[in-house]
Amino acid sequence: GAGVSQSPSNKVTEKGKDVELRCDPISGHTALYWYRQSLGQGLEFLIYFQGNSAPDKSGLPSDRFSAERTGGSVSTLTIQRTQQEDSAVYLCASSLAAGSYNSPLHFGNGTRLTVT
Amino acid sequence: KQEVTQIPAALSVPEGENLVLNCSFTDSAIYNLQWFRQDPGKGLTSLLLIQSSQREQTSGRLNASLDKSSGRSTLYIAASQPGDSATYLCAVMDTGRRALTFGSGTRLQVQP
Repeated sequence: GAGVSQSPSNKVTEKGKDVELRCDPISGHTALYWYRQSLGQGLEFLIYFQGNSAPDKSGLPSDRFSAERTGGSVSTLTIQRTQQEDSAVYLCASSLAAGSYNSPLHFGNGTRLTVT
Repeated sequence: KQEVTQIPAALSVPEGENLVLNCSFTDSAIYNLQWFRQDPGKGLTSLLLIQSSQREQTSGRLNASLDKSSGRSTLYIAASQPGDSATYLCAVMDTGRRALTFGSGTRLQVQP
């Protein structure tokens, strides 16, 4: 596709349920990032993937959060046993290569997660 | 740990004014600095990327400068238009962790 695609655009779930958020990066982009944007706060880095290298998981807030990237393309962010503080917009981005001097990040429109 | 600060947090100007948004960062070991805009309910749109070896980048009415040694960047918007109304975010990519660290943004309102 022409841009980064995220689904669903909105997700409402009950506290304690698991959720999966999906990201389709731009074709040919080897780097994929997940960020979280909470109301009134800035963007918080969660995890990034670069090609076949081990992902940088340093931003994941707890072991309830995990992510995988299959075949170097589509990524899924999973939140287990959701809590109300997980409510936020989850943004995915991709770029030609992580840590490149001149590769800007391209963001999707995000998934708005509401935990009731 | 890298910290990025943006000033002001909000700005309202009449149409046609030139304006400057400020960004500062604490660790000068960066690959690049990127400016984005975010419209309500949308993702981020990349505006400009300045490599660590560069001093400025220009795109249309936008000009971004980088002073890596002092940890500062400015985004200059010439002849502002109502369509420029959005939140502008500054972010730096560290050499240590290859992910962007974002500032909290400047919310810009251009009055017609």
